[in-house]
Amino acid sequence: DTEVTQTPKHLVMGMTNKKSLKCEQHMGHRAMYWYKQKAKKPPELMFVYSYEKLSINESVPSRFSPECPNSSLLNLHLHALQPEDSALYLCASSWRGGSTDTQYFGPGTRLTVL
Amino acid sequence: AQSVTQPDIHITVSEGASLELRCNYSYGATPYLFWYVQSPGQGLQLLLKYFSGDTLVQGIKGFEAEFKRSQSSFNLRKPSVHWSDAAEYFCAVGKNTGNQFYFGTGTSLTVIP
Repeated sequence: DTEVTQTPKHLVMGMTNKKSLKCEQHMGHRAMYWYKQKAKKPPELMFVYSYEKLSINESVPSRFSPECPNSSLLNLHLHALQPEDSALYLCASSWRGGSTDTQYFGPGTRLTVL
Repeated sequence: AQSVTQPDIHITVSEGASLELRCNYSYGATPYLFWYVQSPGQGLQLLLKYFSGDTLVQGIKGFEAEFKRSQSSFNLRKPSVHWSDAAEYFCAVGKNTGNQFYFGTGTSLTVIP
């Protein structure tokens, strides 16, 4: 199984809502990532979890809150988002989390903030 | 400093024609190099990667890339493009010191019949 799954596929939320994005992998990878991608731009790294510990937080606003309940699951909790947070949110996983690891990406969640 | 550059923002090729997408990196040591493809609204799919050894790397979907240290390049090639190859292509570099992984700005490929 070389698949990273993400739910939901699409999400529309208001600025006062609380929602969560979910990511799952069963490849035995110990590193998981959240990226934000705006249209026609490369993915921007948000968070990296390595062995279920947050190892990188790229100065992401606190309205984004990651959680890694176990090595197969990664959540991104959203609260009080702004319209400029609308984007494609990609999850990825890799073997250990080093910068030379091959990262495997999920299909993404298309988030629209009204 | 930009670590990976994709000079071509957009390329249009005819179906059946050959394709070359350029990627240049800046790094003193040998980097780990990747090419990913992204279809509209989808995640990124790994096409191929180079870590060491043979400088010509074969990937999926008939793609190949050649690592040229003297030119700091890792260009992606395909001898005959199919309409389904229309997508965004990202080159990426992983540096084996620290925790740095960089995507290029991407090249958008249009394939015309």
